[in-house]
Amino acid sequence: EIVMTQSPATLSVSPGERATLSCRASQSVSTNLAWYQHKPGQAPRLLIYGASTRATGIPATFSGSGSGTEFTLTISSLQSEDFAVYYCQQYSSWPPIFTFGPGTKVDIK
Amino acid sequence: EVQLVESGGGLVQPGGSLRLSCAASGFSFSNYDMHWVRQAPGKGLEWVSAVGTADDSYYADSVKGRFTISRESARNSLYLQMNSLRAGDTAVYFCARAKYSSTWYYDYWGQGALVTVSS
Repeated sequence: EIVMTQSPATLSVSPGERATLSCRASQSVSTNLAWYQHKPGQAPRLLIYGASTRATGIPATFSGSGSGTEFTLTISSLQSEDFAVYYCQQYSSWPPIFTFGPGTKVDIK
Repeated sequence: EVQLVESGGGLVQPGGSLRLSCAASGFSFSNYDMHWVRQAPGKGLEWVSAVGTADDSYYADSVKGRFTISRESARNSLYLQMNSLRAGDTAVYFCARAKYSSTWYYDYWGQGALVTVSS
């Protein structure tokens, strides 16, 4: 079973600054990795899939990179609406399950 | 516009049962795999179950043998029958549409339904 880890657990950032979030897989997942943003009381929102492809409507301030076991989500200039919890998620073909990382909370410094 | 709306959550005693529903609209429901994902209080997201377009089903080990996922294309609805509920099943349950484009991911989610297991 593939285990996903994320670091840091909490990231304190000032508005306008850059945020870099990391996600690591216990074994290679190629580029089968997605990133989601989740705010309390709301549905999670897809940001990135295939490790680096922005989902429809996602601004260019969000970018994803990596392959294999190491992945990064970068928010180039944090806006007030970007403060949330961010999860990475991998897909494994067998067993066909989705596995999430524990999340990184991005809060206001 | 794609919409997923969960219903059926509530308070249930340990050992009890509950059935969640997810009403889908705005897309061809029968053409997509559908999943349930949950979030326990103060915790992260946890994959629970999936049903494919051929009614093939898959479960997390934590719910296998207790939960049953199903779909009804005529009603554009997804279900999760939860039996033998435990305190550890307390969570917000989200239904999500799975999409494949070089890899699998969730492109749409519902707002969630709260399930509380407590005496």
